[in-house]
Amino acid sequence: GAGVSQTPSNKVTEKGKYVELRCDPISGHTALYWYRQSLGQGPEFLIYFQGTGAADDSGLPNDRFFAVRPEGSVSTLKIQRTERGDSAVYLCASRQGTSSGGELFFGEGSRLTVL
Amino acid sequence: QKEVEQNSGPLSVPEGAIASLNCTYSDRGSQSFFWYRQYSGKSPELIMFIYSNGDKEDGRFTAQLNKASQYVSLLIRDSQPSDSATYLCAVKGGATNKLIFGTGTLLAVQP
Repeated sequence: GAGVSQTPSNKVTEKGKYVELRCDPISGHTALYWYRQSLGQGPEFLIYFQGTGAADDSGLPNDRFFAVRPEGSVSTLKIQRTERGDSAVYLCASRQGTSSGGELFFGEGSRLTVL
Repeated sequence: QKEVEQNSGPLSVPEGAIASLNCTYSDRGSQSFFWYRQYSGKSPELIMFIYSNGDKEDGRFTAQLNKASQYVSLLIRDSQPSDSATYLCAVKGGATNKLIFGTGTLLAVQP
């Protein structure tokens, strides 16, 4: 596709349930980022992939959060035993190449609401 | 201390004025600095990036970087109501490609 695609755009779930959020980056972009954004806050870094491997997962808040990118393209963010505090917009972004430059292109986000 | 700090605002300026947005960062090894604009309910989009000390101009936008003071700013000349948005400062550390965002400054341009 032309841009970063995220599904679902909205997800409402109950506390304790398991959730998967999907990101399809721009074709050819090797770097993929996940961020979480709460109302009135800036995007909070979660994890960054370079190819298939997680280059930096220091932002994952705890072991309930996990992300994969098995073929170096589509990525899935997985949240186990969801809590109300997990409610936020989850943003995915991709970037071409490994250089320190390069623009991050963001998807429209997946809004997660945990009841 | 937060890694990237911004005044949350709102910053209100009249149409046609210069809007000045500021950002400080804590990691002295940071090498790349970005300004993103985010309209309400939308995702961030890149306005400018800067790597070297000094000024960088692009149309009505000027980014300024002072590494000694660990300070980045964005000037918007001839502000328009369509510039009303949240402006996010983002910093990439020297040792990683992780991009850290500030909380953003809400800019309101009054017609």
